[in-house]
Amino acid sequence: SQQGEEDPQALSIQEGENATMNCSYKTSINNLQWYRQNSGRGLVHLILIRSNEREKHSGRLRVTLDTSKKSSSLLITASRAADTASYFCATEAKTSGSRLTFGEGTQLTVNP
Amino acid sequence: EPEVTQTPSHQVTQMGQEVILRCVPISNHLYFYWYRQILGQKVEFLVSFYNNEISEKSEIFDDQFSVERPDGSNFTLKIRSTKLEDSAMYFCASSETAAKNIQYFGAGTRLSVL
Repeated sequence: SQQGEEDPQALSIQEGENATMNCSYKTSINNLQWYRQNSGRGLVHLILIRSNEREKHSGRLRVTLDTSKKSSSLLITASRAADTASYFCATEAKTSGSRLTFGEGTQLTVNP
Repeated sequence: EPEVTQTPSHQVTQMGQEVILRCVPISNHLYFYWYRQILGQKVEFLVSFYNNEISEKSEIFDDQFSVERPDGSNFTLKIRSTKLEDSAMYFCASSETAAKNIQYFGAGTRLSVL
């Protein structure tokens, strides 16, 4: 698998449900970030979690990081139709400067 | 809220032509980046820039590519002789510091090489 792989590739849920997306990576990291991309648009930063953190919250978002398993999860609670977008994890590796390595992304569809 | 702005939003060019993609990073940011996203694929790092020089570049960033900060506000990506496979969405990003590496992205320039 490649650095920064998300699963599932696509997720379809009803409004009000929770959405969980997972990300795996391969190298040691300084931090892991989640971004959202609406169709054909730019990337919007959602949340950053550092390698020494295990969990972080921001509004309806909850991110966990397990460096022993090299994995992270993004939970969106009480989803809304406006949450429909692609979600990407991006890692900043310890050995590669400040570049971000992105995963393939999860396409989330929230049905009204 | 400050944002990264990119122009043009869409650039159409003929193969072999030179293109310059322009970006205005957030004003107090010191680190600048270019990424690209080929349609249906993941976002790929091209280059990072700090203190008026390239700090890191990927294997994609070959001699056809160059970056410049011509003045205190603009950050440009030049592709000297475009190829069909350069067709992609190009994103500029900036961050305040390297240690606090939240990168803020522009809306992108869609480059179509015909």
